Amino acid sequence: GQQLNQSPQSMFIQEGEDVSMNCTSSSIFNTWLWYKQEPGEGPVLLIALYKAGELTSNGRLTAQFGITRKDSFLNISASIPSDVGIYFCAGSNNYGQNFVFGPGTRLSVLP
Amino acid sequence: NAGVTQTPKFQVLKTGQSMTLQCAQDMNHEYMSWYRQDPGMGLRLIHYSVGAGITDQGEVPNGYNVSRSTTEDFPLRLLSAAPSQTSVYFCASSYDENAGYTFGSGTRLTVV
Repeated sequence: GQQLNQSPQSMFIQEGEDVSMNCTSSSIFNTWLWYKQEPGEGPVLLIALYKAGELTSNGRLTAQFGITRKDSFLNISASIPSDVGIYFCAGSNNYGQNFVFGPGTRLSVLP
Repeated sequence: NAGVTQTPKFQVLKTGQSMTLQCAQDMNHEYMSWYRQDPGMGLRLIHYSVGAGITDQGEVPNGYNVSRSTTEDFPLRLLSAAPSQTSVYFCASSYDENAGYTFGSGTRLTVV
């Protein structure tokens, strides 16, 4: 089936630094979603992207729908300790239920 | 609103036992899904529903059954538990087929 790759798998950064992560697919997607998961909880939707080239912000988070429609990017500016968690991308190439999730990027923020 | 409620939060089963994981949402969402999460593998879709009375298989449906008799509830049944079904199970719902899903807090299942 379809697979998504996320890079990096994990990252350790200092508080205040900016963070960049990406998600790539071998297939074209019509929708990209970015989620954050904290320990013991379900994923929480951060940003949804519906159009190639689209750039959308949610506070300190900015995500982009790649123009090739095969990738997406998430940036976090001025990281804080509560940004710690696993960030998942999810993509869909049809207008239906079949969102595919990436394996996640685990973010650790050092004070 | 409670959002998406999953019960139980933790469960230990013996191989061969059956059980039902409960999921309820109070947001009047038509779309509901079940995912399993295993280390390093993200979330994989088990079954989904686009409305009451309608269900379909996802990526990893074997060993699981679902039904959708009401808009609110979407239970997941394990027919004969196997160690390979040890995982964290998430139920999710959405108001639109292409919108982001609201997830429950998960059921951690261990099959011994």
